[in-house]
Amino acid sequence: DIQMTQSPYSLSASVGDRVTIICRASQSISTYLNWYQQRPGKAPKLLVYSASSLQSGVPSRFSGSGSGTDFTLTISSLQPEDFASYYCQQTYNARTTFGQGTRLE
Amino acid sequence: QVQLVQSGPEVKKPGASVKVSCEASGYIFTSYGIGWVRQAPGQGLEWVGWSSTYNGNGDYAQKFQGRVTMTTDTSTNTAYLELRSLRSDDTAVYFCARSGHSSSSYGDYWGQGTLVTVSS
Repeated sequence: DIQMTQSPYSLSASVGDRVTIICRASQSISTYLNWYQQRPGKAPKLLVYSASSLQSGVPSRFSGSGSGTDFTLTISSLQPEDFASYYCQQTYNARTTFGQGTRLE
Repeated sequence: QVQLVQSGPEVKKPGASVKVSCEASGYIFTSYGIGWVRQAPGQGLEWVGWSSTYNGNGDYAQKFQGRVTMTTDTSTNTAYLELRSLRSDDTAVYFCARSGHSSSSYGDYWGQGTLVTVSS
């Protein structure tokens, strides 16, 4: 299986901050990388697919970039509702895997 | 609007089976697959498998092979996840998600989750 490693594990930030979360794959996955946001007690919400495509309805302060093995999710100006956990997911092969998550607090 | 509504919480004893349902509405059911993801208490997301609503084919994570079956009923637009020989470490919230036409697809709409508790 392809291993996905996120960093940091947790991140302390304030409203208005610019925040970057990193996701690294154990092998090249081209741009088959997706990002999700999950608030406590809720289902994950798709933010970015194919590394850099913003899902419909997601605010433009979210952006994704990267290819190969290294990817980033950036929030340009943190809003109160953005304090949540974030997960990357590779869909390069049939057995998709997730990163361990980053808690933004 | 697209909605996935899952069945209610379950409490099962070790060794039993559980069947979770996921009823879809607001789109053409057979135009998308259904993926299943679980989340143990305080843990991250774990892919369980994927089911085709078109031909009933399934693709399951290796660790669940032999214990899991995913099915769909196109007459009721409902997908099912059955997990057998339950163990305490199967305690988790199970999510369904609308996915593409292969197991290597992201989920763009998700159900609310079903808590399955395995305890003697």
